[in-house]
Amino acid sequence: GQNIDQPTEMTATEGAIVQINCTYQTSGFNGLFWYQQHAGEAPTFLSYNVLDGLEEKGRFSSFLSRSKGYSYLLLKELQMKDSASYLCAVTGWGAAGNKLTFGGGTRVLVKP
Amino acid sequence: GAGVSQSPSNKVTEKGKDVELRCDPISGHTALYWYRQSLGQGLEFLIYFQGNSAPDKSGLPSDRFSAERTGGSVSTLTIQRTQQEDSAVYLCASSSRDRASYEQYFGPGTRLTVT
Repeated sequence: GQNIDQPTEMTATEGAIVQINCTYQTSGFNGLFWYQQHAGEAPTFLSYNVLDGLEEKGRFSSFLSRSKGYSYLLLKELQMKDSASYLCAVTGWGAAGNKLTFGGGTRVLVKP
Repeated sequence: GAGVSQSPSNKVTEKGKDVELRCDPISGHTALYWYRQSLGQGLEFLIYFQGNSAPDKSGLPSDRFSAERTGGSVSTLTIQRTQQEDSAVYLCASSSRDRASYEQYFGPGTRLTVT
């Protein structure tokens, strides 16, 4: 099976940096996704990591360590519109590759 | 282009009634997923349709839940004899590639409330 853990809530100040950690245990691993979900809206894709290392995309970066079962999403130069839930999800091999298994999501509140 | 659409956006039903939720994926997307999101919970996988292959139904919580996909496009999720614990947001997603290691595009969801 697969188990995903991420903090429930984080608060940060506009213009600052926030790092959202995600740890996972999985019997087979074929990639980790981060999605952003504003309240009442559909999740939207942010990043996909399958190899170790850091992927940078504008203000957002995602890191993966497969040996540690660990990822983080880094949000820089926070803006008020970044207030949302951030969802960590993994996929695997075989039948586990037919789906994403999500963590509970981290709600980020950006304060002025 | 048009994204994933779902209907209805909201559905209130009485316990014991049947409901049908509809998903129109992005045109040309072969993979289609259903998830549900209960209040304060993460997204929970329900079912996966891949091209012409048999669907992966391993996430359906009970035999009251079923889904079909007609013509490789529109999908309908049916919940029979609804229970209060079925109240959730039901999300549909589609992808241009089979297997979940590719980006999924989510619809806005159907909020189901069972009274």
